[in-house]
Amino acid sequence: NAGVTQTPKFRVLKTGQSMTLLCAQDMNHEYMYWYRQDPGMGLRLIHYSVGEGTTAKGEVPDGYNVSRLKKQNFLLGLESAAPSQTSVYFCASRTDGSYEQYFGPGTRLTVT
Amino acid sequence: DQQVKQNSPSLSVQEGRISILNCDYTNSMFDYFLWYKKYPAEGPTFLISISSIKDKNEDGRFTVFLNKSAKHLSLHIVPSQPGDSAVYFCAASKMIGNTGKLIFGQGTTLQVKP
Repeated sequence: NAGVTQTPKFRVLKTGQSMTLLCAQDMNHEYMYWYRQDPGMGLRLIHYSVGEGTTAKGEVPDGYNVSRLKKQNFLLGLESAAPSQTSVYFCASRTDGSYEQYFGPGTRLTVT
Repeated sequence: DQQVKQNSPSLSVQEGRISILNCDYTNSMFDYFLWYKKYPAEGPTFLISISSIKDKNEDGRFTVFLNKSAKHLSLHIVPSQPGDSAVYFCAASKMIGNTGKLIFGQGTTLQVKP
């Protein structure tokens, strides 16, 4: 039981490049979330999903897109990366009826 | 508009003493509060939580207190151990719409000195 895994762990992009971050969970959780963590700002919600095939905007969605084609996977896309998107990205999931979210190990992204 | 605030960026305590981490919130609709612990280069891990219908929850060395009238919660760690050195985030949630989104504070870095 791997829990929540994230791919890749590190990535460096040039401004304007695109990439996709993959989150996978093997706990059969309905809900999945993408956060970014920046110094002094805690974790901020980018997008979330309440079930397969659904997505919704969080607190800071601009510049990102997401997809949840399979229940176990939640993809975060950057179509045209900007230096302001340099951050650590965390994926999380939870089951229905529980407030507790389980987090992945994070992806450190640098945009130059 | 920061709905959840941790006003102390850092805290240093001696091993064996009590650590008290504080958190304030502004939205009275929050009905559940959680504390997460985060080590460098790892994801946050759940530590302890409390429902808004309670004022205290205890789990071993960790106790969370909730003061709804003051919109304030605190995490007490007794006794503190060097392995407790980490960043602690408080988070709040409201189940309206059943999305379960968490609103996080900025985090407090705890250092426990041997």
